[in-house]
Amino acid sequence: EPEVTQTPSHQVTQMGQEVILRCVPISNHLYFYWYRQILGQKVEFLVSFYNNEISEKSEIFDDQFSVERPDGSNFTLKIRSTKLEDSAMYFCASGRNMGNEQFFGPGTRLTVL
Amino acid sequence: QKEVEQNSGPLSVPEGAIASLNCTYSDRGSQSFFWYRQYSGKSPELIMSIYSNGDKEDGRFTAQLNKASQYVSLLIRDSQPSDSATYLCAVRGDDKIIFGKGTRLHILP
Repeated sequence: EPEVTQTPSHQVTQMGQEVILRCVPISNHLYFYWYRQILGQKVEFLVSFYNNEISEKSEIFDDQFSVERPDGSNFTLKIRSTKLEDSAMYFCASGRNMGNEQFFGPGTRLTVL
Repeated sequence: QKEVEQNSGPLSVPEGAIASLNCTYSDRGSQSFFWYRQYSGKSPELIMSIYSNGDKEDGRFTAQLNKASQYVSLLIRDSQPSDSATYLCAVRGDDKIIFGKGTRLHILP
């Protein structure tokens, strides 16, 4: 069964460094998403992406964040200058149609020191 | 601010019994509703989706939707120890999913 994959599974970085989190969505899906979950808190929406552009973003997704689909399979989240409060699990999700089910990858645990 | 509310639990249910999980949401215009299961340290796993009023059954799981009351529920029949997890109610808002904080379910062997 096709699934969303994410790399790396765990990323440790120093405050102020740039990180890129990578995702390979399910191949016939057209809608892509990033969510994050701070330890012990709820899953929060960051950004949605369709047709090579951002379709919606949350207040969390400020100028330090960017997303890109550099080729036909990868979907990336970049954090330019990480802060301590960026430490969280970051989940990529994809869906075939807007409004229908979203399927989540296993997540990347980001630790900012 | 669109909200999804769940009792955080823990909800303890004996093995073999029915577990009942509830959720309310604030946006009356919401059209798509989901239940995800999340084991500790893992990602959300889709269990059920429901789009119209009434019941939808899939194996041991039944999702129930009442749009007039802005209420969604999930029933798990014949609960198993492997059902012990956090259950996330999620509601589609525009092009994103809004999650509740989740209900921790503990199945007692």
